[in-house]
Amino acid sequence: KNEVEQSPQNLTAQEGEFITINCSYSVGISALHWLQQHPGGGIVSLFMLSSGKKKHGRLIATINIQEKHSSLHITASHPRDSAVYICAAGNTDKLIFGTGTRLQVFP
Amino acid sequence: EADIYQTPRYLVIGTGKKITLECSQTMGHDKMYWYQQDPGMELHLIHYSYGVNSTEKGDLSSESTVSRIRTEHFPLTLESARPSHTSQYLCASRPTTRGDEQFFGPGTRLTVL
Repeated sequence: KNEVEQSPQNLTAQEGEFITINCSYSVGISALHWLQQHPGGGIVSLFMLSSGKKKHGRLIATINIQEKHSSLHITASHPRDSAVYICAAGNTDKLIFGTGTRLQVFP
Repeated sequence: EADIYQTPRYLVIGTGKKITLECSQTMGHDKMYWYQQDPGMELHLIHYSYGVNSTEKGDLSSESTVSRIRTEHFPLTLESARPSHTSQYLCASRPTTRGDEQFFGPGTRLTVL
């Protein structure tokens, strides 16, 4: 069993749909990261959170420390949101990554 | 936007060649990391550095080596490339004092024939 698990592995949606990606972890953490990886391979950090909820534009990330669970929500999804979304949990220096959720949003 | 660069972006090379993947950041970050990512798989830490002259092996065993002679530069070297080294290599950095956020480079996609 991976220490960081994401679901679903693959997700397709129509433009405008509300999307939720889930992440469960079994390690102790100081922060939980959500990353976005586009087909070219580069990674962008979306959120880093250790409690509660953060919002940036159409993206919302939540974390429940007691349940060791985090969710990434995308409101009003758009084809440009198509990417792999990666959850990473870790302590100060090392991150453990999930395998990612591949999202495709169709117009 | 993070100022962390990797070159080359793509590299196709024959078995047995020595290669160096470059990573540079202009943010003055002390901590730098190399990750390896096979297609469709998760990232694995292969090397990290806390600062100049500091290098450590990561969780995934790797035949590569790294050096940190300057704060901004963290190159990764493979002395003799093999097909099993075919993968994507991602470099990241983070500041020591401003939380845990890591900034990632664009990656180098390496193919060894």
